[in-house]
Amino acid sequence: NFMLTQPHSVSESPGKTVTISCTRSSGSIASNFVQWVQQRPGGAPTTVIYEDNQRPSGVPDRFSGSIDSSSNSASLTISGLKTEDEADYYCQSYDSSNYVFGTGTKVTVL
Amino acid sequence: EVQLVESGGGLVQPGGSLRLSCAASGFTFSSYWMSWVRQAPGKGLEWVANIKQEGSEKYYVDSVKGRFTVSRDNAKNSLFLQMNSLRAEDTAVYYCARGGDYYGSANVYWGQGTLVTVSS
Repeated sequence: NFMLTQPHSVSESPGKTVTISCTRSSGSIASNFVQWVQQRPGGAPTTVIYEDNQRPSGVPDRFSGSIDSSSNSASLTISGLKTEDEADYYCQSYDSSNYVFGTGTKVTVL
Repeated sequence: EVQLVESGGGLVQPGGSLRLSCAASGFTFSSYWMSWVRQAPGKGLEWVANIKQEGSEKYYVDSVKGRFTVSRDNAKNSLFLQMNSLRAEDTAVYYCARGGDYYGSANVYWGQGTLVTVSS
């Protein structure tokens, strides 16, 4: 099984941009779609990005996703940071028989 | 509006059993993959199991294989997770999630979760 490694935490001021990385340990990041899930404190998960870079309806375009094959990683970028973006974020992908979540990143809006 | 409502959680002793249910509404249940995802207290998300539209394919995380069984009743728009031989490390909030129409499709819709506590 592969692993998805994320930074433990990132912090930034309102209005700024943060980027969270998600590095796949084995297998190509480009071979299987990556999803990003937001979880606010005490809340249920919600999906902010699916199929690498698609936003579900209702998710603002401040959220964007990308894939970098050279580093075998995916990234979630949040621009124009708002206090409501303070949450834990998890990437998720899969292989032939397993779904795997990343280690999670806590985003703090200073 | 898509709704997923989990139920069946509670306190159970180690070695015991519990059956979780997820009632789905607002979409054609039989057309989508469904998943269970859990979160232990203070920990990250962990995928537990998923099941294909007609139930012909099921996948599990290694730690629950042989103990947990995922199933669905498309006529009743319901997803289930039968959990046997429960261990303390199975203590978590269990979320039901709806995928897409292919294996690997994202879980775009999530329920609010049901808490399972395994303790003597």
